[in-house]
Amino acid sequence: DAGVTQSPTHLIKTRGQQVTLRCSPKSGHDTVSWYQQALGQGPQFIFQYYEEEERQRGNFPDRFSGHQFPNYSSELNVNALLLGDSALYLCASSFTLPNRNTIYFGEGSWLTVV
Amino acid sequence: DQQVKQNSPSLSVQEGRISILNCDYTNSMFDYFLWYKKYPAEGPTFLISISSIKDKNEDGRFTVFLNKSAKHLSLHIVPSQPGDSAVYFCAASEETSGSRLTFGEGTQLTVNP
Repeated sequence: DAGVTQSPTHLIKTRGQQVTLRCSPKSGHDTVSWYQQALGQGPQFIFQYYEEEERQRGNFPDRFSGHQFPNYSSELNVNALLLGDSALYLCASSFTLPNRNTIYFGEGSWLTVV
Repeated sequence: DQQVKQNSPSLSVQEGRISILNCDYTNSMFDYFLWYKKYPAEGPTFLISISSIKDKNEDGRFTVFLNKSAKHLSLHIVPSQPGDSAVYFCAASEETSGSRLTFGEGTQLTVNP
C-alpha cells in the first residue's frame, strides 16, 4: 500500500519563475492538504482540496494555487517565485471525515529559489 | 500570530532517561492535539494524539498530557532511546477544520548513548 508520494523531491528555480509540485494521496484518501515548511519552522497550512475544490486556505497569497484531479491527486502551483518561497513543501492526505489520527504526510518537495 | 508554540528548539537527554517535550497553545477552539516525529529527508510521521476530553493518553513509551486550563501539553518518552533522536512537532486542530493542522516550530531531541 503506497503512502503519500510527492514529486519532484528537489528542484531549483529562478526568482520570477513558476513551479508545479505534485502529490498522490495514500490509497483510499480523498482529501489533500499542502503545507510549507521553511527552515527552522513548523509546517504552515497552505490549502486543502476535496472533491476537486479548494475547501480551506491558510494565510498565503494568490500566487499559491492548486488543483485536485478526479483520482484525488493534487498539484501545487506557485507563480512569480520569490526567494522567500524556498522551503520544503509537504503534502498530507486524509479521509473527508477524518479520524484525525489518519493524516499522512509525504516526504516533501524541496524547493530552492535563486 | 503563533497559535502553537514549542519554546525549546532543542533538548538533549541520556539514553534510558525521560524526555519531556512541551507545547503551548492560545486558540481555545483547538480540541485535538497531535505529536509528529520527523527525521531528516522524511515527512512527519504521526506519533500520538489526545482529545480535549482527556488529560492523558499513553502508547507504549510515549505519553501525552494535556492541561486545558493552562493550554499546555507535553510529550513524555520513557525510556528514551537513540533512535528517538528527531524533530518533534506539536500540532493542533479544531473540529470544524477537520484535518487542517496548526504546527509548532518543533523541538530537536537528541538522545545520547
